[in-house]
Amino acid sequence: GENVEQHPSTLSVQEGDSAVIKCTYSDSASNYFPWYKQELGKRPQLIIDIRSNVGEKKDQRIAVTLNKTAKHFSLHITETQPEDSAVYFCAASKGNAGNMLTFGGGTRLMVKP
Amino acid sequence: NAGVTQTPKFRILKIGQSMTLQCAQDMNHNYMYWYRQDPGMGLKLIYYSVGAGITDKGEVPNGYNVSRSTTEDFPLRLELAAPSQTSVYFCASSYTTGRETQYFGPGTRLLVL
Repeated sequence: GENVEQHPSTLSVQEGDSAVIKCTYSDSASNYFPWYKQELGKRPQLIIDIRSNVGEKKDQRIAVTLNKTAKHFSLHITETQPEDSAVYFCAASKGNAGNMLTFGGGTRLMVKP
Repeated sequence: NAGVTQTPKFRILKIGQSMTLQCAQDMNHNYMYWYRQDPGMGLKLIYYSVGAGITDKGEVPNGYNVSRSTTEDFPLRLELAAPSQTSVYFCASSYTTGRETQYFGPGTRLLVL
């Protein structure tokens, strides 16, 4: 089955700096890659996603890039703010019946004011 | 819309006891999922359903059972609680193949002593 690895497991940045989180996946049939943000004690919430026919997608300070050949995708957060502090999860899906997601292990991002 | 709702929010069980975690969604989603999240870890899929009357195992199904008699409800049953089932349980739902975004409920925190 699919295996998703995420790095780093923790990331500490200064407010205003950029943060990059990287994920690799094993199944070349995966074609949908969402990123979820989970604040302490809260539910995961989708922040951005990308499909395999797109190389990059941006939404304000957040961007995701995908390299299908290398089977890796990354989350980029620019101009980080304290409210960006949370755990971020990447995931992959083959988009077949059930839309099952395989999640990475998560990255705890800490933005220091 | 209430989205995805879960009850209870928190429960303490004794070893060997049984309980049902309730999940409901009012978005007319076909697909529903149960995940567990151990402290500091990612999400593991327990069971999923692609429609009423259809369920299938995920990555970690042992010790759990599910049923889906209606589109809206997807309860998770623990028959003989064990300390290893101490976790936070999230229910999620999504539309159909091609509309993969999963929406999560607020979670149920379960402690087995």
